[in-house]
Amino acid sequence: QLVLTQSPSASASLGASVKLTCTLSSGHSSNAIAWHQQQPEKGPRYLMNLNSDGSHTKGDGIPDRFSGSSSGAERYLIISSLQSEDEADYYCQTWGTGMGVFGGGTKLTVL
Amino acid sequence: EVQLVESGGGLVQPGGSLRLSCAASGFMFSSNWMSWVRQAPGKGLEWVANIQQDGSEKYYVDSVKGRFTISRDNAKNSLYVQMNSLRAEDTAVYYCARGGRTTDYWGQGTLVTVSS
Repeated sequence: QLVLTQSPSASASLGASVKLTCTLSSGHSSNAIAWHQQQPEKGPRYLMNLNSDGSHTKGDGIPDRFSGSSSGAERYLIISSLQSEDEADYYCQTWGTGMGVFGGGTKLTVL
Repeated sequence: EVQLVESGGGLVQPGGSLRLSCAASGFMFSSNWMSWVRQAPGKGLEWVANIQQDGSEKYYVDSVKGRFTISRDNAKNSLYVQMNSLRAEDTAVYYCARGGRTTDYWGQGTLVTVSS
Protein backbone atom coordinates (compact mmCIF):
# COMPACT_ATOMS: atom_id res chain seq x y z
CA GLN A 1 0.00 0.00 0.00
CA LEU A 2 1.28 3.43 -0.99
CA VAL A 3 1.75 5.60 2.09
CA LEU A 4 3.62 8.86 2.65
CA THR A 5 4.95 9.47 6.14
CA GLN A 6 5.72 12.92 7.52
CA SER A 7 6.68 14.07 11.01
CA PRO A 8 3.74 15.96 12.56
CA SER A 9 5.80 18.97 13.58
CA ALA A 10 9.09 20.79 13.11
CA SER A 11 10.55 24.06 14.28
CA ALA A 12 13.46 26.31 13.41
CA SER A 13 14.58 29.84 14.11
CA LEU A 14 13.99 32.89 11.98
CA GLY A 15 16.78 33.14 9.39
CA ALA A 16 17.87 29.52 9.84
CA SER A 17 17.33 26.53 7.54
CA VAL A 18 15.06 23.54 7.99
CA LYS A 19 14.75 20.19 6.24
CA LEU A 20 11.35 18.48 6.16
CA THR A 21 11.12 14.78 5.30
CA CYS A 22 8.54 12.73 3.42
CA THR A 23 9.11 8.95 3.35
CA LEU A 24 7.62 6.71 0.69
CA SER A 25 6.41 3.26 1.71
CA SER A 26 8.22 0.10 0.69
CA GLY A 27 8.20 -0.63 -3.02
CA HIS A 28 7.58 2.97 -4.02
CA SER A 29 11.02 4.50 -3.54
CA SER A 30 11.23 5.60 -7.18
CA ASN A 31 8.08 7.74 -7.04
CA ALA A 32 8.22 11.43 -7.70
CA ILE A 33 6.32 13.60 -5.25
CA ALA A 34 5.01 17.13 -4.95
CA TRP A 35 5.37 19.49 -2.00
CA HIS A 36 2.60 21.89 -1.03
CA GLN A 37 2.44 24.69 1.52
CA GLN A 38 -0.69 25.70 3.40
CA GLN A 39 -0.45 28.88 5.44
CA PRO A 40 -2.96 29.40 8.25
CA GLU A 41 -6.51 29.93 7.04
CA LYS A 42 -5.47 29.67 3.38
CA GLY A 43 -5.74 27.10 0.62
CA PRO A 44 -2.79 24.94 -0.40
CA ARG A 45 -0.06 26.27 -2.67
CA TYR A 46 2.06 24.07 -4.90
CA LEU A 47 5.78 24.40 -4.22
CA MET A 48 7.51 21.86 -6.42
CA ASN A 49 7.67 18.48 -8.05
CA LEU A 50 10.59 16.38 -6.76
CA ASN A 51 11.99 13.35 -8.57
CA SER A 52 13.82 10.38 -7.10
CA ASP A 53 17.13 11.71 -8.43
CA GLY A 54 16.63 14.99 -6.57
CA SER A 55 15.82 17.07 -9.62
CA HIS A 56 12.89 19.36 -9.02
CA THR A 57 10.63 21.81 -10.80
CA LYS A 58 9.22 24.67 -8.76
CA GLY A 59 5.88 26.36 -9.15
CA ASP A 60 5.33 29.89 -10.32
CA GLY A 61 6.79 32.50 -8.02
CA ILE A 62 8.31 30.08 -5.51
CA PRO A 63 11.40 31.72 -4.00
CA ASP A 64 14.89 30.28 -4.38
CA ARG A 65 14.89 29.68 -0.62
CA PHE A 66 12.80 26.57 -1.30
CA SER A 67 14.58 23.54 -2.72
CA GLY A 68 14.29 19.77 -2.70
CA SER A 69 16.47 16.70 -2.59
CA SER A 70 16.04 12.92 -2.47
CA SER A 71 17.75 9.92 -0.91
CA GLY A 72 16.30 6.44 -1.42
CA ALA A 73 12.70 6.51 -0.27
CA GLU A 74 13.06 9.90 1.38
CA ARG A 75 12.11 13.19 -0.19
CA TYR A 76 13.19 16.42 1.41
CA LEU A 77 11.97 19.98 1.36
CA ILE A 78 14.69 22.43 2.37
CA ILE A 79 13.79 25.97 3.32
CA SER A 80 16.66 28.37 3.90
CA SER A 81 16.68 31.86 5.42
CA LEU A 82 13.40 31.13 7.21
CA GLN A 83 10.89 33.93 7.30
CA SER A 84 7.82 34.34 9.46
CA GLU A 85 5.52 33.66 6.53
CA ASP A 86 7.08 30.20 6.14
CA GLU A 87 5.19 29.12 9.26
CA ALA A 88 2.69 26.77 7.70
CA ASP A 89 1.66 23.18 7.14
CA TYR A 90 3.64 21.32 4.50
CA TYR A 91 2.23 18.32 2.65
CA CYS A 92 3.82 15.84 0.29
CA GLN A 93 1.76 14.16 -2.43
CA THR A 94 2.28 11.29 -4.83
CA TRP A 95 0.20 8.87 -6.85
CA GLY A 96 -0.26 5.18 -7.55
CA THR A 97 -2.43 3.38 -10.16
CA GLY A 98 -4.22 6.60 -11.01
CA MET A 99 -5.03 7.53 -7.44
CA GLY A 100 -3.47 10.33 -5.45
CA VAL A 101 -2.26 10.20 -1.86
CA PHE A 102 -1.10 12.83 0.62
CA GLY A 103 1.15 12.60 3.61
CA GLY A 104 -0.25 13.64 6.96
CA GLY A 105 1.51 16.99 6.85
CA THR A 106 4.20 18.70 8.92
CA LYS A 107 3.39 21.81 10.90
CA LEU A 108 6.41 24.12 10.75
CA THR A 109 6.86 26.67 13.52
CA VAL A 110 9.27 29.54 12.97
CA LEU A 111 10.73 30.57 16.33
CA GLU B 1 -3.12 33.53 -14.91
CA VAL B 2 -4.47 30.14 -13.87
CA GLN B 3 -7.68 30.44 -11.87
CA LEU B 4 -9.85 27.75 -10.33
CA VAL B 5 -13.08 28.89 -8.66
CA GLU B 6 -15.22 26.41 -6.75
CA SER B 7 -18.89 26.86 -5.96
CA GLY B 8 -21.86 24.87 -4.73
CA GLY B 9 -20.91 24.19 -1.13
CA GLY B 10 -23.30 24.58 1.75
CA LEU B 11 -25.19 22.85 4.53
CA VAL B 12 -26.86 19.55 3.71
CA GLN B 13 -28.53 16.89 5.82
CA PRO B 14 -27.07 13.39 6.17
CA GLY B 15 -28.19 11.30 3.21
CA GLY B 16 -28.58 14.37 1.03
CA SER B 17 -26.89 15.40 -2.18
CA LEU B 18 -24.81 18.29 -3.40
CA ARG B 19 -23.07 19.16 -6.66
CA LEU B 20 -19.86 21.14 -6.60
CA SER B 21 -18.56 23.04 -9.60
CA CYS B 22 -15.16 24.41 -10.50
CA ALA B 23 -14.71 27.06 -13.18
CA ALA B 24 -11.26 26.99 -14.74
CA SER B 25 -9.50 29.72 -16.70
CA GLY B 26 -6.03 30.78 -17.78
CA PHE B 27 -4.92 27.42 -19.18
CA MET B 28 -5.94 24.73 -21.66
CA PHE B 29 -8.49 22.96 -19.47
CA SER B 30 -9.12 20.15 -21.96
CA SER B 31 -5.43 19.16 -21.89
CA ASN B 32 -5.20 18.56 -18.16
CA TRP B 33 -6.22 15.91 -15.67
CA MET B 34 -8.22 17.48 -12.86
CA SER B 35 -8.74 16.51 -9.24
CA TRP B 36 -10.89 17.12 -6.18
CA VAL B 37 -9.15 17.22 -2.80
CA ARG B 38 -10.83 17.79 0.56
CA GLN B 39 -9.82 18.89 4.03
CA ALA B 40 -11.94 18.13 7.07
CA PRO B 41 -11.88 20.75 9.85
CA GLY B 42 -8.51 20.69 11.59
CA LYS B 43 -7.28 17.77 9.50
CA GLY B 44 -4.90 17.20 6.61
CA LEU B 45 -5.48 17.04 2.89
CA GLU B 46 -7.28 14.04 1.44
CA TRP B 47 -7.34 13.25 -2.26
CA VAL B 48 -10.91 12.48 -3.35
CA ALA B 49 -11.05 11.85 -7.10
CA ASN B 50 -9.49 12.67 -10.43
CA ILE B 51 -10.51 12.59 -14.08
CA GLN B 52 -8.60 12.25 -17.32
CA GLN B 53 -8.65 14.92 -20.00
CA ASP B 54 -11.53 13.42 -21.99
CA GLY B 55 -13.33 12.00 -18.98
CA SER B 56 -12.68 8.39 -19.95
CA GLU B 57 -10.67 7.54 -16.83
CA LYS B 58 -11.76 8.36 -13.30
CA TYR B 59 -10.42 7.31 -9.92
CA TYR B 60 -11.89 7.65 -6.45
CA VAL B 61 -10.75 7.22 -2.88
CA ASP B 62 -12.44 4.15 -1.38
CA SER B 63 -14.52 6.14 1.10
CA VAL B 64 -16.50 7.89 -1.68
CA LYS B 65 -16.76 5.14 -4.27
CA GLY B 66 -20.37 4.58 -5.30
CA ARG B 67 -21.46 7.89 -3.73
CA PHE B 68 -19.43 10.58 -5.56
CA THR B 69 -19.15 11.06 -9.31
CA ILE B 70 -16.54 13.31 -10.89
CA SER B 71 -17.22 14.77 -14.33
CA ARG B 72 -16.14 17.59 -16.59
CA ASP B 73 -17.39 19.73 -19.46
CA ASN B 74 -14.44 20.79 -21.58
CA ALA B 75 -16.63 23.13 -23.65
CA LYS B 76 -17.41 25.05 -20.46
CA ASN B 77 -13.97 24.68 -18.86
CA SER B 78 -15.69 23.22 -15.84
CA LEU B 79 -15.14 20.39 -13.38
CA TYR B 80 -17.86 18.88 -11.24
CA VAL B 81 -18.41 16.41 -8.44
CA GLN B 82 -21.85 15.02 -7.69
CA MET B 83 -22.00 13.95 -4.05
CA ASN B 84 -24.83 11.64 -2.97
CA SER B 85 -25.65 9.85 0.29
CA LEU B 86 -23.61 12.41 2.17
CA ARG B 87 -22.33 11.57 5.64
CA ALA B 88 -21.10 13.66 8.53
CA GLU B 89 -17.55 12.55 7.74
CA ASP B 90 -17.82 14.20 4.31
CA THR B 91 -17.83 17.59 6.02
CA ALA B 92 -14.81 19.42 4.63
CA VAL B 93 -13.50 22.19 2.45
CA TYR B 94 -13.42 20.83 -1.09
CA TYR B 95 -10.67 22.04 -3.40
CA CYS B 96 -10.51 21.81 -7.14
CA ALA B 97 -6.96 21.28 -8.39
CA ARG B 98 -5.22 21.02 -11.74
CA GLY B 99 -3.45 17.74 -12.35
CA GLY B 100 -4.20 14.10 -11.79
CA ARG B 101 -0.98 12.73 -10.36
CA THR B 102 0.30 15.79 -8.58
CA THR B 103 -1.58 19.06 -8.50
CA ASP B 104 0.08 22.32 -9.43
CA TYR B 105 -2.74 24.83 -9.05
CA TRP B 106 -5.47 24.98 -6.43
CA GLY B 107 -8.76 26.77 -6.04
CA GLN B 108 -9.74 28.61 -2.85
CA GLY B 109 -12.12 25.85 -1.77
CA THR B 110 -15.81 25.54 -0.95
CA LEU B 111 -17.14 24.35 2.40
CA VAL B 112 -19.50 21.40 2.60
CA THR B 113 -21.18 20.78 5.95
CA VAL B 114 -23.20 17.63 6.47
CA SER B 115 -25.35 17.98 9.55
CA SER B 116 -28.93 17.68 10.71
